Amino acid sequence: DTAVSQTPKYLVTQMGNDKSIKCEQNLGHDTMYWYKQDSKKFLKIMFSYNNKELIINETVPNRFSPKSPDKAHLNLHINSLELGDSAVYFCASSWTSGSNEQFFGPGTRLTVL
Amino acid sequence: DAKTTQPNSMESNEEEPVHLPCNHSTISGTDYIHWYRQLPSQGPEYVIHGLTSNVNNRMASLAIAEDRKSSTLILHRATLRDAAVYYCILRFNRDDKIIFGKGTRLHILP
Repeated sequence: DTAVSQTPKYLVTQMGNDKSIKCEQNLGHDTMYWYKQDSKKFLKIMFSYNNKELIINETVPNRFSPKSPDKAHLNLHINSLELGDSAVYFCASSWTSGSNEQFFGPGTRLTVL
Repeated sequence: DAKTTQPNSMESNEEEPVHLPCNHSTISGTDYIHWYRQLPSQGPEYVIHGLTSNVNNRMASLAIAEDRKSSTLILHRATLRDAAVYYCILRFNRDDKIIFGKGTRLHILP
């Protein structure tokens, strides 16, 4: 029944590794997003996809690569992880681009050692 | 981007109304006022949004000043479950980008 789900919930890894976070929504929404919430609790948008097409790409290192195999999934792959990548990553979705309400997932806490 | 100013934290007693203020003196005519909240260890949750008129929904009410330079989120009867960080956000028309500020941490006292 979960509307927006993310896996894994927790991810602990070493610097330099490559990791992926998966996101799925079963709401039939067209648009999906990735946000990063850092240690100071600021929540910032990273990417958004509308029907598998990238529409927002904020100033994010190109070590971060989103992939949308279909409109229900938006995965985030991170290469060469750095200490500063430690954060909570939230996936979200909305009916379409510009919809008033975004639905957020439970978050993935990434810790880079 | 137009900015909002909120108190860092507020306290309220359970079962009493809560008024969460937000100042946005640089708001433009096409900015919508959105409120989200984030419960502990959860993702943000949409609460309400408005443009000029006051708005009500099952979660809260939004009172918008006539000059739109401030607004107030009203929780009519706070419960312990309403303890969260509340974010007041200005969103340009149908822009996908939601810019979260620091928000107000609301503590509910039993």
